[in-house]
Amino acid sequence: AQTVTQSQPEMSVQEAETVTLSCTYDTSESNYYLFWYKQPPSRQMILVIRQEAYKQQNATENRFSVNFQKAAKSFSLKISDSQLGDTAMYFCAFIPSNTGKLIFGQGTTLQVKP
Amino acid sequence: DAGITQSPRHKVTETGTPVTLRCHQTENHRYMYWYRQDPGHGLRLIHYSYGVKDTDKGEVSDGYSVSRSKTEDFLLTLESATSSQTSVYFCAISEGAEASSYEQYFGPGTRLTVT
Repeated sequence: AQTVTQSQPEMSVQEAETVTLSCTYDTSESNYYLFWYKQPPSRQMILVIRQEAYKQQNATENRFSVNFQKAAKSFSLKISDSQLGDTAMYFCAFIPSNTGKLIFGQGTTLQVKP
Repeated sequence: DAGITQSPRHKVTETGTPVTLRCHQTENHRYMYWYRQDPGHGLRLIHYSYGVKDTDKGEVSDGYSVSRSKTEDFLLTLESATSSQTSVYFCAISEGAEASSYEQYFGPGTRLTVT
């Protein structure tokens, strides 16, 4: 079975500091796409960042970057200069190229403290 | 904003009654999805559609059916609602020609309570 595991149910960080959220996944596929989604208290699911498995370069989107380790099947999210608006639940997800079905982890609740 | 709306946004219903949730998109994307979100499980795929009248099952499809008679609308039906179907339901669309290569964008969600 293809799975996504987020081992940190809850995390907190001080405003302006850096935090890293962990994600591991299990698949036998060689080609797939990885995503991080943010869900603030409004409940809206917001795409944060995307990574193609065939690209070695880690994706970056403003204060958000990933550390993609394909051999280890690890896909962590780093948030730099944390802001109060980053407080949300964060979901790691991936799509195996042979299915087109998005598989989510259980989520990590991040609280940014002033 | 990918132009996705869901209706209703909140619903309370009784066990055994049928319920239909609607997802509407304004941009003619081919792929549409229904997920449910429960504590400890993240989002799980119920059904998805890859075109008008073309649908397939996801991970948790038992007790649910879907229909897509127009590109812009994707309906999720609970034939006989049960308390285990109390959840938040999200619709999503994918912009790409191939479902696996493009990110999905989500609607605002529907909170369904079955009493």
